[in-house]
This record gives sequence, structure tokens and C-alpha cells, in this order.
Amino acid sequence: GEDVEQSLFLSVREGDSSVINCTYTDSSSTYLYWYKQEPGAGLQLLTYIFSNMDMKQDQRLTVLLNKKDKHLSLRIADTQTGDSAIYFCAERSNTGKLIFGQGTTLQVKP
Amino acid sequence: DGGITQSPKYLFRKEGQNVTLSCEQNLNHDAMYWYRQDPGQGLRLIYYSQIVNDFQKGDIAEGYSVSREKKESFPLTVTSAQKNPTAFYLCASSYGTSGGQFFGPGTRLTVL
Repeated sequence: GEDVEQSLFLSVREGDSSVINCTYTDSSSTYLYWYKQEPGAGLQLLTYIFSNMDMKQDQRLTVLLNKKDKHLSLRIADTQTGDSAIYFCAERSNTGKLIFGQGTTLQVKP
Repeated sequence: DGGITQSPKYLFRKEGQNVTLSCEQNLNHDAMYWYRQDPGQGLRLIYYSQIVNDFQKGDIAEGYSVSREKKESFPLTVTSAQKNPTAFYLCASSYGTSGGQFFGPGTRLTVL
């Protein structure tokens, strides 16, 4: 079946790079997404990548996709305290629905 | 401003009562979704609607009902049949089911 897995927690120091990893199972996924959730708020769409791409960069965010290994990562350069949040990876299934991972809590220490 | 609104932000109800959560969008999106989020877990899909007057069950539809009488509105009713209704409820919308979904701020429902 469709499943998305993420590590639950990541701690980094302010100014370092953060790398959040995600694996998925549906090889027919066409789009993969990264969302950010701050405490008590909804999800904010950060970026997405189409399955025929290997990499997408958007300012401090870099998304890498290894389609062979079904592995997706989000790199945040020069991580700031305002980046502290829960980050969700999601794949779009062939029915059009999004399948979410359980979220990675990013803690940024000053 | 375009966006998705959910009201209220916090909602308290007694056990056995039905409660309706509001979701409105002015993004002209065709598709709308309801998710449930529990602590430490990802989002689980309750119901979704691709077009007015049509909706489909998601993965955890039991104990919930929806309607889609207008493109802009997709209210969710949590019925007394829902065994564990206390959770954070998120509404989202997208251009059809092929686009990225945009989320509202959520409603935290507590059943006492």
C-alpha cells in the first residue's frame, strides 16, 4: 500500500544546514510536497517537486529526489530559529489524494 | 485577501452532541478536503470533494458527514457516532486533485 516515512526529530544549531529525510512507497507518485506546520497552525506549502526532476532549489530550500530509492530530502540552508516547526513530506497518489508522513520536528538551538 | 478560513479556532462540546466545523475558501478551488491530526501523527483524510454536490469518503470517514452545496464551502459535521472526536481538524483546497493543497488554520475540537 501507500506509505510515507519520516524520522521524528532533528536538532540543529542556528546557522547550520538541516536535512530532513522522507521515504515513500508509491512508485507512480507524480508530485511530492514539503509542508511546514508551526504550533497550533495549519500546514504551509513550502515547495514541491515533480517526479521527473532530481533537484529543485528555492532560496534556502533544496529538495533532492532519488526516484530509484524512493527517497526525498529537504535541505534548509542557514537554519534560523524561525524554522523551528514540524515538517511533513507528502506524495500525491495516482488517485490524486495526498499521503502524508508523520512529520519531523525540527528544533533549532541558538 | 485570498485564502481558507476555518471557524471557530477552538470548540468545546459535550459527549453525545453533534458539532459542525466551518471551512470557507475564496481561492476558486474546485477540490476541498478535511483531515484529522492527532498528536505525533500525520494527517488522515476524512472526506474530500472534487466538485459541488459531490464528495467521497477518505480513510477515516466513520462518524463524520459533509456537504458541498457551494464551491466556497465544505462544512464537516462530527457526529455522536465518532468514538474519539477530540483532535485538530484541518481543511484544505486545491485546483482539482492534481495541485498542491492549501490549508486553513485549523479547528481544535475538544469533547468533554
